[in-house]
Parts: sequence; C-alpha cells; structure tokens
Amino acid sequence: GAGVSQSPRYKVAKRGQDVALRCDPISGHVSLFWYQQALGQGPEFLTYFQNEAQLDKSGLPSDRFFAERPEGSVSTLKIQRTQQEDSAVYLCASSLARLKQGTDTQYFGPGTRLTVL
Amino acid sequence: AQSVTQLGSHVSVSEGALVLLRCNYSSSVPPYLFWYVQYPNQGLQLLLKYTSAATLVKGINGFEAEFKKSETSFHLTKPSAHMSDAAEYFCAVTRMNTGFQKLVFGTGTRLLVSP
Repeated sequence: GAGVSQSPRYKVAKRGQDVALRCDPISGHVSLFWYQQALGQGPEFLTYFQNEAQLDKSGLPSDRFFAERPEGSVSTLKIQRTQQEDSAVYLCASSLARLKQGTDTQYFGPGTRLTVL
Repeated sequence: AQSVTQLGSHVSVSEGALVLLRCNYSSSVPPYLFWYVQYPNQGLQLLLKYTSAATLVKGINGFEAEFKKSETSFHLTKPSAHMSDAAEYFCAVTRMNTGFQKLVFGTGTRLLVSP
C-alpha cells in the first residue's frame, strides 16, 4: 500500500519568502507528526496531530511556523518569512495510534529538503 | 527527561564483518526504544523496537538489538555486514507527553561498508 508522501521533495526559498510543505499520511492513520532534521543531526519533534486536533506544538521553533490538518488527513507545515536557519529536511510521520500506545510504529515520509538562500 | 546518546558518528566495517552500533539511553521510567535506518534521500525506516516484551529484539535485514537495563544500553548488531547496509542509523526513545509518543532521536551513526 501507499506510504507517507511529502511534497515538494525539494524547495529553495529566498530569505523572507513563505513556504508550504505538504504531507499525505497513510490512509486511516490517526496520528501525524512533523520533525525537523538539520544537516548531520537526528530529527527533532515539531508538532503532533491526532486527527484534526493539534495536541502539541511545543517543538515549533518560532511563531513563524504553523501547521494544520483541517480534515484529519493531509497536513501542511507553513513557514513564514523564512530564515537561513530554517534550512533543513522536514519529515512527516504517521501512525495508527488511537490511544496512548507507545509501541505504535511511526511511518516516515521521504521528507522535504528546504534550502533558504 | 528521556534522551539517547549514540557513540560514534561514523562506523566503518568490511563486508562480512560484525556490525555494532552503540546507543545508550537516559530515562526515569521504563523506555520504549527504537532503531531506524535512513538511506540517502529517503525517510526513516523502522528496523526494530523494544517494548518490554523481550530484551533481545530481532528486526529486519538481519539486525537485532539487546536491551540491557543495567548498562542503559540498546546496541544494534548484525553478524555479517552487506554493502547494502551502508546508511545512517538512528536510535530513538519515546517520551510521554500529553498522551502520545513523540520520538527523541540520537544524532545518528553513519555506517560505511567497504568491499
């Protein structure tokens, strides 16, 4: 079956531009996560959705970052007035979890590589 | 707070040699631990996970990991490396927060396999 897909795969933005990154999770997956992976680092948590509800956004680095999942499926991560430090790979993951299942597997998309010039 | 430390940013082995990638965790409560692999320009793929059912966990592609509470370790091993194992490997631990499990990753270890 189809996995998690993300688009675009690569995005180059000039400093100050707004960008929108899309994530299509696996069909039926309740939970959706966004992670940011800087060069040479492990992914870092940004935000979490359970269906359409954004239950945690503690990892968003600034108020320039905004995420939504209005119908509980596709999610968009928006970055306003991009800065060079926003350059990273943005990973989306989804899981079936409906309860507090710590063992539930998160399935990752291929990521969007954002480069801010 | 929970965290993981991966010792060695790069590990080089010859094809056919033992693979050992180290991960130590810090957790005030029993953790759930994961190993993910990332191939170039791809997302992360789960290799295996420890969920307290058994201390020796077998995963895909011949990898396994052993949870050792006394050593706070969860090292990843494979008896015989293949060229196709060359990739970045991430250890991760879950952190309970508002009823869901966000992953906390280590900094990764790049495995290089030479012929």
